[in-house]
Amino acid sequence: NAGVTQTPKFQVLKTGQSMTLQCAQDMNHEYMSWYRQDPGMGLRLIHYSVGAGITDQGEVPNGYNVSRSTTEDFPLRLLSAAPSQTSVYFCASSTFTDEKLFFGSGTQLSVL
Amino acid sequence: AQKVTQAQTEISVVEKEDVTLDCVYETRDTTYYLFWYKQPPSGELVFLIRRNSFDEQNEISGRYSWNFQKSTSSFNFTITASQVVDSAVYFCALSDDSGGGADGLTFGKGTHLIIQP
Repeated sequence: NAGVTQTPKFQVLKTGQSMTLQCAQDMNHEYMSWYRQDPGMGLRLIHYSVGAGITDQGEVPNGYNVSRSTTEDFPLRLLSAAPSQTSVYFCASSTFTDEKLFFGSGTQLSVL
Repeated sequence: AQKVTQAQTEISVVEKEDVTLDCVYETRDTTYYLFWYKQPPSGELVFLIRRNSFDEQNEISGRYSWNFQKSTSSFNFTITASQVVDSAVYFCALSDDSGGGADGLTFGKGTHLIIQP
């Protein structure tokens, strides 16, 4: 049982490049979400999904797109990376009976 | 809108001292859930506790204890006889959903706890 798997662990981009952060869970969880962590800011919610085909915006959605075509996968897309998107990104999942979120190990992204 | 305030940015104590991390929250919901997560230097997020708004009993788990007071909107975390392994960033979080998954968690900015040997 792998839990929540994020890839890649590290990524360096140039301004204007695009990329997709991958997130997969094998626990059949309905809920999936993306957070970004910046120094002194805690974690902030980017986008979330309550099931396949359903997504919604969190606190800081600008510059990011998501889709949820399957229960297992919830990729986060940066269409045109900006230095302000340099951060650590965490994917999380849970089901309605869980008392906590299950977090992935994070992706450290640097945009130059 | 929900808000979580962790006023202590960084705390440094000597090993074996007791230390309390403060958490104050704001919400208009009558049903809500409070959480504490630990982030050690390795970077992963470790779940510590969840408390719902209808359960004001304090909780103790080994050296860890939590004091939930609705009257002051606080959910403080105390480590007794601190150890070097307790060094980490600790986050308090709030959700109107049982596990924080449906609508997401609102996190505080975190308290960096340093335990000196």
